[in-house]
Amino acid sequence: DSGVTQTPKHLITATGQRVTLRCSPRSGDLSVYWYQQSLDQGLQFLIQYYNGEERAKGNILERFSAQQFPDLHSELNLSSLELGDSALYFCASSVGGGGSSGNTIYFGEGSWLTVV
Amino acid sequence: GQQLNQSPQSMFIQEGEDVSMNCTSSSIFNTWLWYKQDPGEGPVLLIALYKAGELTSNGRLTAQFGITRKDSFLNISASIPSDVGIYFCAGPNSGYALNFGKGTSLLVTP
Repeated sequence: DSGVTQTPKHLITATGQRVTLRCSPRSGDLSVYWYQQSLDQGLQFLIQYYNGEERAKGNILERFSAQQFPDLHSELNLSSLELGDSALYFCASSVGGGGSSGNTIYFGEGSWLTVV
Repeated sequence: GQQLNQSPQSMFIQEGEDVSMNCTSSSIFNTWLWYKQDPGEGPVLLIALYKAGELTSNGRLTAQFGITRKDSFLNISASIPSDVGIYFCAGPNSGYALNFGKGTSLLVTP
């Protein structure tokens, strides 16, 4: 158990709909990261928040947005869903800003999203 | 962002065999990380490397940070069935989050 909690674990929704994925980081971690994993693209970095502020942006679509709340939990909002958005979405957390600082990032178990 | 290329894409080996996989980058990294993902789980950190030339072990796993700082290697000795999974290399993305390679899938037969 990494200490990172994600809900829901599985989600099936229709095209055009909107969903929200939730993440609670490990206790004491200030950074939250969102990743998308699909078969053909591997693990793609979407966005990072650090202590409530957006820190880095990756390949996140405009239809997607995220935020980190004062209690440090985070939500990833996916709207106008398309079939191609079906994937496993991971949340990860680290103590500091991550990256070259060498902070280890810890992954949750992921949220399986299926768009039909 | 930096491109990370992992090879091989997949490996199918017998229990007891040694395994080698590698990762190359289009640019220099200051940190190399190796993660393993079990089926239905999130990636878990195996080994972290912070210095060019560094060789670090974690049980039967050994990883090296290449001298050029553009590559890294992971070796697994005497593989066992629970080594099955996807192995990812990762490096910092412009100093913050991590970029991941596409992974090496490892299957081990008893």
